[in-house]
Amino acid sequence: AQSVTQLDSHVSVSEGTPVLLRCNYSSSYSPSLFWYVQHPNKGLQLLLKYTSAATLVKGINGFEAEFKKSETSFHLTKPSAHMSDAAEYFCVVSRGSTLGRLYFGRGTQLTVWP
Amino acid sequence: DAGVIQSPRHEVTEMGQEVTLRCKPISGHNSLFWYRQTMMRGLELLIYFNNNVPIDDSGMPEDRFSAKMPNASFSTLKIQPSEPRDSAVYFCASSPRWGNGAEQYFGPGTRLTVT
Repeated sequence: AQSVTQLDSHVSVSEGTPVLLRCNYSSSYSPSLFWYVQHPNKGLQLLLKYTSAATLVKGINGFEAEFKKSETSFHLTKPSAHMSDAAEYFCVVSRGSTLGRLYFGRGTQLTVWP
Repeated sequence: DAGVIQSPRHEVTEMGQEVTLRCKPISGHNSLFWYRQTMMRGLELLIYFNNNVPIDDSGMPEDRFSAKMPNASFSTLKIQPSEPRDSAVYFCASSPRWGNGAEQYFGPGTRLTVT
């Protein structure tokens, strides 16, 4: 079995401060991991993905995530938040035994204060 | 390049009516996924296709729901008859590859309201 746990349902930060969105996964196989972002009334957009290459993955809009196998974590970070980063973020995992299928976390709502 | 196209973007219908949602995947993508998103249940996978063939429909909630993919550039999700609890945002996504690590590209969604 596998699952994705996003440790915070809501995160609030001030503009210009760092962002940390936490994600832990469980998987019996070597997973592929993704972060998606959803702005209000929009579809989901791929931010970045990890597929067993470099453990530090850089994505769009200044976001990056680090795969830590020992901690089964894939936390999303950004050094300096921008107002436009306010959105819902989903941590997602796939595994080889269910080809093509993605498993989504429940999401973390990021609020950015001016 | 055009992304995944969904129509209609909004649909309001009365209970008991048939609803058809449409999706055009990104050209060249061979996998297609239908999801439903609600506040209560989050994002749920309903069904997915590879090369136009349904692979797993275990997420389809009831027999009232059906999905087809007659060709590589078109898919439909039909609800007949619709019920108020079907109100949700329905997303279609497509993927250029089949397998572990294949990313999905989402459409803008169809917001369905059943009164």
